[in-house]
Amino acid sequence: GENVEQHPSTLSVQEGDSAVIKCTYSDSASNYFPWYKQELGKRPQLIIDIRSNVGEKKDQRIAVTLNKTAKHFSLHITETQPEDSAVYFCAASPRVNTDKLIFGTGTRLQVFP
Amino acid sequence: GAVVSQHPSWVICKSGTSVKIECRSLDFQATTMFWYRQFPKQSLMLMATSNEGSKATYEQGVEKDKFLINHASLTLSTLTVTSAHPEDSSFYICSVERDRTSNEQFFGPGTRLTVL
Repeated sequence: GENVEQHPSTLSVQEGDSAVIKCTYSDSASNYFPWYKQELGKRPQLIIDIRSNVGEKKDQRIAVTLNKTAKHFSLHITETQPEDSAVYFCAASPRVNTDKLIFGTGTRLQVFP
Repeated sequence: GAVVSQHPSWVICKSGTSVKIECRSLDFQATTMFWYRQFPKQSLMLMATSNEGSKATYEQGVEKDKFLINHASLTLSTLTVTSAHPEDSSFYICSVERDRTSNEQFFGPGTRLTVL
């Protein structure tokens, strides 16, 4: 089945710097790749997603890039702020006709003021 | 987005008892809901896909007789942890899929289960 790997597991940056989190997936048929932000004890919140027919998507300070050939996708956060501190999860939808998501292992991002 | 609620938000029970967790879609009818389990500082692990009016589809390694899922209506799915043991202590989160064409899932607030 689908396997999603995520790196790094922890990431510390200074406020204003950029942060990049990378994920790889194994199933070439996966076609949907969301990113979720989860604060301690809270529900995951969708922050951005991308589909396999698109190479890049941007929403203000957040962008996601997808390389289908290499089967990896990345989350880019620019001008980081302390409130960006949280755990970020990538996920992949492994088959065209199923909607389940397989999550990466998570990245704990800390933004220091 | 979509509004998803879970009840209870936390529960403490004795080993051997059963616990029922409810997941409700408050603002639309959800034919598909998903149940996840999340251990401390770990990722979300999909347990099962809950389909309204039919049997749930369980992921490999998840005991269907231990984690009973019932999706009796388009707004409610329940997860019952039967004969709970301390190793079942975890954060249980449901999600709903609003639109099959979008794949987007909206999560409930989670239920923290502690088994003594």
